[in-house]
Amino acid sequence: EVQLVESGGGLVQPGGSLRLSCAASGFTFSSYEMNWVRQAPGKGLEWVSYISSSGSTIYYADSVKGRFTISRDNAKNSLYLQMNSLRAEDTAVYYCARDQSWGDILTGYYYYMDVWGKGTTVTVSS
Amino acid sequence: SSELTQDPAVSVALGQTVRITCQGDSLRSYYASWYQQKPGQAPVLVIYGKNNRPSGIPDRFSGSSSGNTASLTITGAQAEDEADYYCNSRDSSGNHLYVFGTGTKVTVL
Repeated sequence: EVQLVESGGGLVQPGGSLRLSCAASGFTFSSYEMNWVRQAPGKGLEWVSYISSSGSTIYYADSVKGRFTISRDNAKNSLYLQMNSLRAEDTAVYYCARDQSWGDILTGYYYYMDVWGKGTTVTVSS
Repeated sequence: SSELTQDPAVSVALGQTVRITCQGDSLRSYYASWYQQKPGQAPVLVIYGKNNRPSGIPDRFSGSSSGNTASLTITGAQAEDEADYYCNSRDSSGNHLYVFGTGTKVTVL
């Protein structure tokens, strides 16, 4: 069964740090790009970060750039999100999601997230 | 970053058809994908690309697009389709990689 399981969430004070993990199973993790997506309480989905299959290409949302670092360990089938200088507005459920990016000029280009974990909750509060 | 705008809420009678729209400049360049999210659960992909359904998604879900607008249609809505729906696409502005829509709450009456 294809599965993503997040962990590492919790309560942290403003300015603190937290490291989230996402364990992948049931597929060849090293072949896929991955994303982190978050959802603040009562709010919509917000894309946070992307990492290519090799880890060589990384993107961040402006809201977390310079504070969050995405990484992966393909030998351990794991994705990470190091979160520093946390703010109250970072309070959210954080999901990891498998990326699908494919296509060509004839079929069109397809970009979507086909597998999601159940999420881990991060609360930033004093 | 670009924005994707959705109506906040729509309602549909059981067995009837409802269309959810998503508007944004990015949709002129990229296909939308659509996600269903029920309370307390993770999002689930229901439509991607031109009009593709992942395995296990009922064929009452379909997608279409025109210009800067993408649509998700539920034909013959069921009680279990009551959920929040989000569109998503690559961000054509180049600032971000992906952008999500504002979300639509679908109520089945």
